[in-house]
Amino acid sequence: EPEVTQTPSHQVTQMGQEVILRCVPISNHLYFYWYRQILGQKVEFLVSFYNNEISEKSEIFDDQFSVERPDGSNFTLKIRSTKLEDSAMYFCASRGDRGRNSPLHFGNGTRLTVT
Amino acid sequence: AQTVTQSQPEMSVQEAETVTLSCTYDTSENNYYLFWYKQPPSRQMILVIRQEAYKQQNATENRFSVNFQKAAKSFSLKISDSQLGDTAMYFCAFISQGGSQGNLIFGKGTKLSVKP
Repeated sequence: EPEVTQTPSHQVTQMGQEVILRCVPISNHLYFYWYRQILGQKVEFLVSFYNNEISEKSEIFDDQFSVERPDGSNFTLKIRSTKLEDSAMYFCASRGDRGRNSPLHFGNGTRLTVT
Repeated sequence: AQTVTQSQPEMSVQEAETVTLSCTYDTSENNYYLFWYKQPPSRQMILVIRQEAYKQQNATENRFSVNFQKAAKSFSLKISDSQLGDTAMYFCAFISQGGSQGNLIFGKGTKLSVKP
């Protein structure tokens, strides 16, 4: 069964540095998402992406965040200047074009640690 | 705004027994979808079961079933014949059918431990 893949599984970075989290969604999917889960807390929506543009974003997704689909297969999340509070699990997800009943397929996540 | 509430932070159950995880949600919409996701220690988010709000029949997937009470805005998950591999965080999630909000909204999760 096709799956969403995320790299790296764990990223450690210093405060103020830029990080890029990478995701390869399922190949025939059209909607892409990033979610965040701070340790011990619930999964929070960051941004959704469709037709090469952001379709929705949460208030968490401020100017230090950006997303890109550079080559038709990868879907990246960039954090420009990381803060300690950005430490979290970041999940990429995708779904096909069969309506919102189609479940999101999640990757295994990238654990980001900002020191 | 839609919200999802899971009032049980942690639960435990003996292997082979049945456990029910609670979820309530708040929305003014009539058409939406509800999901239960499982997150084992491996961190993966795995879909367990889904329910369309317009369907009165409760969804079932093998040992997993839901009790969907639309009027009460309740969506509980029942796990029958619990297995050790069911040990995980379980998240209830909501998505509206229409409107601009196309993203899943999650509850805080319930940590389920299945004991041998």
